[in-house]
Amino acid sequence: AQRVTQPEKLLSVFKGAPVELKCNYSYSGSPELFWYVQYSRQRLQLLLRHISRESIKGFTADLNKGETSFHLKKPFAQEEDSAMYYCALSYNFGNEKLTFGTGTRLTIIP
Amino acid sequence: DTEVTQTPKHLVMGMTNKKSLKCEQHMGHRAMYWYKQKAKKPPELMFVYSYEKLSINESVPSRFSPECPNSSLLNLHLHALQPEDSALYLCASSQRVGLPQAFFGQGTRLTVV
Repeated sequence: AQRVTQPEKLLSVFKGAPVELKCNYSYSGSPELFWYVQYSRQRLQLLLRHISRESIKGFTADLNKGETSFHLKKPFAQEEDSAMYYCALSYNFGNEKLTFGTGTRLTIIP
Repeated sequence: DTEVTQTPKHLVMGMTNKKSLKCEQHMGHRAMYWYKQKAKKPPELMFVYSYEKLSINESVPSRFSPECPNSSLLNLHLHALQPEDSALYLCASSQRVGLPQAFFGQGTRLTVV
């Protein structure tokens, strides 16, 4: 069965320091991986997907199939990065099922 | 209009009541989704509609009844719910099944008393 693990429920980082939010997955097929973000009092938003290999708001994530990981990174944290971050895995025949990890609440310390 | 709109924002209902949640999008998306999110937990998929047809039901109890009357509208009919059904119900949409679920509604916070 598919599973997404985010080992850190809470993560505090000083402004300007590097950020890494960990995500590991288990799935026997070829999954598609995503990062979603939820800022305070706002709706859930798609941040990035592994297929597009893009950088959004300074964040990047690389899919490591050997380590089954999809960690989210940013070299210099900003206060507006404080939010809840969910890693998610898309699977099933048409990739219509999305399984979320338990989330990491990131707090940037000014 | 690039939003998914959910109404109502809050709903309190008794265990014998019948109520409905509504989700609307006008982006021409043909895949729509219902999720349930309990406090401090991630969203869990309930239903997927593709081209107005139910394509996935994640073994959701029959007291939850989804309906997709047209390509812009998704309803979730509620009947005889239990207190443990209290949660945030999220709607999402994507251009079609298989493309990222990039658009989520704000959710309806449901309390069953």
